[in-house]
Amino acid sequence: GQNIDQPTEMTATEGAIVQINCTYQTSGFNGLFWYQQHAGEAPTFLSYNVLDGLEEKGRFSSFLSRSKGYSYLLLKELQMKDSASYLCAVLNDYKLSFGAGTTVTVRA
Amino acid sequence: EAQVTQNPRYLITVTGKKLTVTCSQNMNHEYMSWYRQDPGLGLRQIYYSMNVEVTDKGDVPEGYKVSRKEKRNFPLILESPSPNQTSLYFCASSLSKFTRAGELFFGEGSRLTVL
Repeated sequence: GQNIDQPTEMTATEGAIVQINCTYQTSGFNGLFWYQQHAGEAPTFLSYNVLDGLEEKGRFSSFLSRSKGYSYLLLKELQMKDSASYLCAVLNDYKLSFGAGTTVTVRA
Repeated sequence: EAQVTQNPRYLITVTGKKLTVTCSQNMNHEYMSWYRQDPGLGLRQIYYSMNVEVTDKGDVPEGYKVSRKEKRNFPLILESPSPNQTSLYFCASSLSKFTRAGELFFGEGSRLTVL
């Protein structure tokens, strides 16, 4: 089975940095994915990691440690538009399983 | 414009009345999948399809059926809907090549209420 855990909520100030952690225990692993979902909208793909290490994509970075079953998404220079839910997902063969999501609120 | 289109977007129905939620993508993607999203539970996979005529169960397939007769279409069928199937449903597609299967493009969602 799949067990993917991430914090329920986080709050940060505009311009700050926020780190969203994700831990997973899965029967197989082919990649870890991060999605962003604004309220009332569909999720959109942000980034993925297959190998250990840091992947940087503009203001967003994602890190993976396969041996620890751990990933994080780092959001830098937070903007109000970054207020959203962030979903961690693990690919096992062709099944993509999601965590419950972390709601990030950015305050002015 | 590349997109995944679901219909209907909103539906209220009654227990036992068969319904179909259609899903179509115009990106020539091999992989398609259905998810339901419920508060506190996140997205849970119902069924997925790696290509035409190839489908497999996700984590919560009970009460649902799918078919993949054409590459672009992947309808979700509720033969006898029950109130516990009240949810927000998302269809998604991607290239099926290894990790690309995880880079999903989602439809706008279909909010279903079963009374």
